[in-house]
Amino acid sequence: AQKVTQAQTEISVVEKEDVTLDCVYETRDTTYYLFWYKQPPSGELVFLIRRNSFDEQNEISGRYSWNFQKSTSSFNFTITASQVVDSAVYFCALSEAGSEKLVFGKGMKLTVNP
Amino acid sequence: DSGVTQTPKHLITATGQRVTLRCSPRSGDLSVYWYQQSLDQGLQFLIQYYNGEERAKGNILERFSAQQFPDLHSELNLSSLELGDSALYFCASSVVASGYNEQFFGPGTRLTVL
Repeated sequence: AQKVTQAQTEISVVEKEDVTLDCVYETRDTTYYLFWYKQPPSGELVFLIRRNSFDEQNEISGRYSWNFQKSTSSFNFTITASQVVDSAVYFCALSEAGSEKLVFGKGMKLTVNP
Repeated sequence: DSGVTQTPKHLITATGQRVTLRCSPRSGDLSVYWYQQSLDQGLQFLIQYYNGEERAKGNILERFSAQQFPDLHSELNLSSLELGDSALYFCASSVVASGYNEQFFGPGTRLTVL
């Protein structure tokens, strides 16, 4: 069965601090895909990144970086030099090959204070 | 703007009533997904359609049904509404039905059942 765990429910930081959002997943499949989505206060879900299970390379996009480690079944997301606009709920999600549905974690609310 | 549109944005209705939520996928996307976001259950997959055919079912109640029309827009019908059906309902679309493809989410329809 698929499962995504985001142990942190809420984090509050001050602008310019670095913050890491943890994501641990469970799946029996060898082929699977991991995603991060952002839900700002306006409510829409914004796609951030996709990773497949065969690609363990870390990825950096501006102030965002992602660390995928199969050995620990984790796909963590780091925001460097956080900004107030980063305040949102962040969701980690998993889909398995052959099953297109996304299984989401409970989400982590990040508040960045000026 | 993801390119996925949902109407209405807000819906307030009474218990026992029936409502229809509408979704237009991104241009060219054949696959449509419906998700429910509630405080209790988080983000949960309800149902998926691909090119007019039902493709996968999740935790969708029997009181709920959906369809995808020839022009690829989709409707989610919720009947005999209960207080617990109050939630944010998202539609998402992707190019093909594959776990690999990121899903792009609409702005959601917030349903309030009084």
